[in-house]
Amino acid sequence: AQKITQTQPGMFVQEKEAVTLDCTYDTSDPSYGLFWYKQPSSGEMIFLIYQGSYDQQNATEGRYSLNFQKARKSANLVISASQLGDSAMYFCAMRDGRVYNFNKFYFGSGTKLNVKP
Amino acid sequence: DAGVIQSPRHEVTEMGQEVTLRCKPISGHDYLFWYRQTMMRGLELLIYFNNNVPIDDSGMPEDRFSAKMPNASFSTLKIQPSEPRDSAVYFCASSPDSGPRNEKLFFGSGTQLSVL
Repeated sequence: AQKITQTQPGMFVQEKEAVTLDCTYDTSDPSYGLFWYKQPSSGEMIFLIYQGSYDQQNATEGRYSLNFQKARKSANLVISASQLGDSAMYFCAMRDGRVYNFNKFYFGSGTKLNVKP
Repeated sequence: DAGVIQSPRHEVTEMGQEVTLRCKPISGHDYLFWYRQTMMRGLELLIYFNNNVPIDDSGMPEDRFSAKMPNASFSTLKIQPSEPRDSAVYFCASSPDSGPRNEKLFFGSGTQLSVL
C-alpha cells in the first residue's frame, strides 16, 4: 500500500493566486512527521514545512501553510500569493517510527506546479 | 556547516563499468539515506543507515547495487556492473536522530548518472 499519495501529477495556477497541493498518508504509528519539499528545475531538494502528528495547530512558514486533517490522514500544502519562482515539483513526505522501519522517510510521487504570469 | 556533500555531480560511463557514488553526511547526523530519482519511478529509497549500520536495504534493486558506510562521515553506493537502466539522479540525504519524528532530511545536490 502507498504510504504517501499525491493525486495531482500536474497543476497550473495564476500568479498571485493561492494553490493547494494534495497529500494523503497511511500509517499506524501514532507518532509521525509530515514534510513538504520543493524541487525546482535545478534539481536540489528544498525543505518547506513540517507538521507533527501531535501538533494541534496547522504549520505555517511564510507563504506556505499545511492543512493538516488527522482524521482524514491528509496534509495538504497551501501556497498563498503564488510567484513565478514557485514553479517546481513538490513532494510530500512522512517519517514514521514503526519498529522495523524506525525513522524511515516515505515520499509521494510529486506534483508539478506551473505558475502562469 | 557545508551540508551533505555528494560526488561526483555528474557521471557518464559505459555499460558494464563499475560506478561508485560518494556521500559525506552532515556531521552529527545519525541517519543516512540513499535515494534514486527517475521520471518513471519518482524518488525511491534504496537503503538507509543508522549509526553506520544498514537498517533497511529492501529498496536496493538487485545484487549489482551495494552500499557501505565505513564511518560516520562517509558512505558509498556502488553499481557493478552498470546498465543503461541505472541512469538516474542519485541523492544522498542525512538526518539527526528523531525521537518525535520531527527532524527533516537534508539532501545533497545529487549525482546525475548516465550509463551509455
